[in-house]
Amino acid sequence: DAKTTQPPSMDCAEGRAANLPCNHSTISGNEYVYWYRQIHSQGPQYIIHGLKNNETNEMASLIITEDRKSSTLILPHATLRDTAVYYCIVRVANYGQNFVFGPGTRLSVLP
Amino acid sequence: DGGITQSPKYLFRKEGQNVTLSCEQNLNHDAMYWYRQDPGQGLRLIYYSQIVNDFQKGDIAEGYSVSREKKESFPLTVTSAQKNPTAFYLCASSILGASYEQYFGPGTRLTVT
Repeated sequence: DAKTTQPPSMDCAEGRAANLPCNHSTISGNEYVYWYRQIHSQGPQYIIHGLKNNETNEMASLIITEDRKSSTLILPHATLRDTAVYYCIVRVANYGQNFVFGPGTRLSVLP
Repeated sequence: DGGITQSPKYLFRKEGQNVTLSCEQNLNHDAMYWYRQDPGQGLRLIYYSQIVNDFQKGDIAEGYSVSREKKESFPLTVTSAQKNPTAFYLCASSILGASYEQYFGPGTRLTVT
């Protein structure tokens, strides 16, 4: 079972910030939070990951709460090309090197 | 360009036939993975390998087999024992370690009739 909970779908207006929430209340101290996205019929694309601190790269920002039980992925200026399924994943560090993908959040960016 | 290639993108087979899906990476990654994705679902792990000549079963290994004879190659065979083989198959690779992301190939869509 996935260790994360995400809303099944969200809408965002083009040009606005998209804030995608994720709950991971059972996360362990050495587990990372990863975000991927998948555009229809393509392989998932890595976005960002973090352990405790907030992270930012050219694609997005990751905000992790102080208790690490939830996080938010922020796409600062969403475009139509950001329409995809977004997966929040807690890295199961003691099970090989594997990721557990849940159903994710389907983000629709609207013109 | 470094990356992961999967071929072919679309594959059609008759029921009862084994079929092998190709996955090659030139990223010099030690670990490689196979996932299966059904419509509207997340990814499910079939097999993974952390080193040449070694691999481990994932959550849904029944009806599948793999080999890892070379670091850069991790082919997946879908056998006739797999009851519902029609799906989208994704290969990934990564550096070993929890802090490293997986890189995914473009996927192969297998249809068995």
